[in-house]
Amino acid sequence: DGGITQSPKYLFRKEGQNVTLSCEQNLNHDAMYWYRQDPGQGLRLIYYSQIVNDFQKGDIAEGYSVSREKKESFPLTVTSAQKNPTAFYLCASSISAADTQYFGPGTRLTVL
Amino acid sequence: DAKTTQPPSMDCAEGRAANLPCNHSTISGNEYVYWYRQIHSQGPQYIIHGLKNNETNEMASLIITEDRKSSTLILPHATLRDTAVYYCIVLAGGTSYGKLTFGQGTILTVHP
Repeated sequence: DGGITQSPKYLFRKEGQNVTLSCEQNLNHDAMYWYRQDPGQGLRLIYYSQIVNDFQKGDIAEGYSVSREKKESFPLTVTSAQKNPTAFYLCASSISAADTQYFGPGTRLTVL
Repeated sequence: DAKTTQPPSMDCAEGRAANLPCNHSTISGNEYVYWYRQIHSQGPQYIIHGLKNNETNEMASLIITEDRKSSTLILPHATLRDTAVYYCIVLAGGTSYGKLTFGQGTILTVHP
């Protein structure tokens, strides 16, 4: 099946630890995105990548880092510098940056 | 991107059509109307989008008024699984990247 996968679904970490969230797609999409969603709120863009080996900061990039070494993969690292990391993290992809975005199932990160 | 206004909640009986309105009175000529939905604790699901003409796919129909200032998403035969938050988004075509901004959306409850 084609689609976007995110793992794990639930993730718990201690405060001060870095953690990496996985996002993989087999849709042959060039563009990939990371969003954050807090309870009762909409989406906020963290990082996006229009093509392999290139990525740009979104609206709330501080405390996060990404890489795009392969077309299929766009991992997000939540560093200890992120002050409020507990949230629902969503990865999306699209054929190009101007096309419809399709979302993965999300990873719920809880920092204890 | 233009702002959208949606009712906070709606109810619908199972098997009946669900008509979800959206106002986007400041929409520009190159902006598309997109609809997504999000079931609790899942990633948003793309439903449909359009520019000027009415659109239909296997999930829903999108009716856009002639002046493009409002639109209606129609789920022809709502089921209990259609209970979700529905987001209407206006997004410019051909943007360098398609940052999605979700508002509060409409909570649709389908009841037996």
